[in-house]
Amino acid sequence: DAGVIQSPRHEVTEMGQEVTLRCKPISGHDYLFWYRQTMMRGLELLIYFNNNVPIDDSGMPEDRFSAKMPNASFSTLKIQPSEPRDSAVYFCASSLGRTSGGDTQYFGPGTRLTVL
Amino acid sequence: LAKTTQPISMDSYEGQEVNITCSHNNIATNDYITWYQQFPSQGPRFIIQGYKTKVTNEVASLFIPADRKSSTLSLPRVSLSDTAVYYCLVDPYQAGTALIFGKGTTLSVSS
Repeated sequence: DAGVIQSPRHEVTEMGQEVTLRCKPISGHDYLFWYRQTMMRGLELLIYFNNNVPIDDSGMPEDRFSAKMPNASFSTLKIQPSEPRDSAVYFCASSLGRTSGGDTQYFGPGTRLTVL
Repeated sequence: LAKTTQPISMDSYEGQEVNITCSHNNIATNDYITWYQQFPSQGPRFIIQGYKTKVTNEVASLFIPADRKSSTLSLPRVSLSDTAVYYCLVDPYQAGTALIFGKGTTLSVSS
């Protein structure tokens, strides 16, 4: 298996522009997670899905952020409009089932977003 | 959710055993303890998970005392390539919850 795939790997955009990050989870995994990592705040959970349904989006910073999972093999995280403080590395992860009891999360390589 | 506390950083030399202790005083009965490793410019990677006593795999050992209020990740004979950030997480059993990553412990291994 190719693992969790994220695109693009790097994104540089200007403030106010729309940004769309993409993720393809490992085939057969029921859970998909979006994280954001910065030096100041560490690794933060933004939202996660179970069987394509959003379960907890309490980590989404504000209405400028939205996430979708139209099918089991694809998810997007959109920022509109983007701001410089959104600059971070965004990770997507997937797991086979509930993470307790051995269903570990597999992380993608991340998308490094820079908003100028 | 159980909060974890671990040292911000640790230094070691090649060939030494490294023990990183994490406290999780309010861990719930069904919660698991999980450790992840993150190299620069990569996503976190699962190392080991346990519920009680001792768990060992090809990478590390995890020691959990009877009260489960702390755990210790043990890395035998570290090498330069073990330089990374190590996260201790308490995995809540309740449906509808997810892993929460803290700041982790930055391990620096020198020759």
